Amino acid sequence: DIVMTQSPDSLAVSLGEGATINCKSSQSVLHTTTGKNSLAWYQQKPGQPPKLLLYWASTRASEVPDRFSGSGSATEFTLTIRSLQAEDVATYYCHQFHRTPFSFGPGTKVEI
Amino acid sequence: EVHLAESGGGLVQPGGSLRLSCAASGFTFSDFAMTWVRQAPGKGLEWVASINGAGTTTYYTDLVKGRFVISRDTSRRAVYLEMDGLRVDDSAVYFCAKAMFPRNYLFVSWGQGTLVAVSS
Repeated sequence: DIVMTQSPDSLAVSLGEGATINCKSSQSVLHTTTGKNSLAWYQQKPGQPPKLLLYWASTRASEVPDRFSGSGSATEFTLTIRSLQAEDVATYYCHQFHRTPFSFGPGTKVEI
Repeated sequence: EVHLAESGGGLVQPGGSLRLSCAASGFTFSDFAMTWVRQAPGKGLEWVASINGAGTTTYYTDLVKGRFVISRDTSRRAVYLEMDGLRVDDSAVYFCAKAMFPRNYLFVSWGQGTLVAVSS
């Protein structure tokens, strides 16, 4: 099974500052035939379902602001939020959809 | 616009059963895989089960294998999660989600969830 880990567990960021969240997978999630990483990032606010932010590690989902970006490959990934806004307060999860059992990281809570 | 609406949650005793439903609209239902993901109170997201667009292939986390069954009905545009032998640690909000691409299991659209509470 692929185990996902994230760091830090939580972080406090000032408005307008940047935030970086790291995610590691216990096995590579890189498709060797397509060159794509089956790694997604979700944002979840209290009382709401998760919202897809990024997929294939770095492709922004529809209507996601460009202050959100993703990078990494194989087993190490990063979500970067440039110039944090108040509405970005949430918990962020990385997720591998490379193989079953699909798995999520434990989440990183971002606060102001 | 894609819309997913879960129902069927509630309070059940340990060992009991529940059937969750997810009504889907706004897309060609049979083209996309569907999944159930749960979230215990104050905890993270946990994948539970997925089913392909045709309903011919299913996948489960080992935690529910043999107790839960995922199915879908194209004519009703619905996905189901039949849950038997419920345990206290199955208590969670259960979300259904739709895949982003055909023949893919990246989940892009989510319902609001339905709460399952297992307690004596």
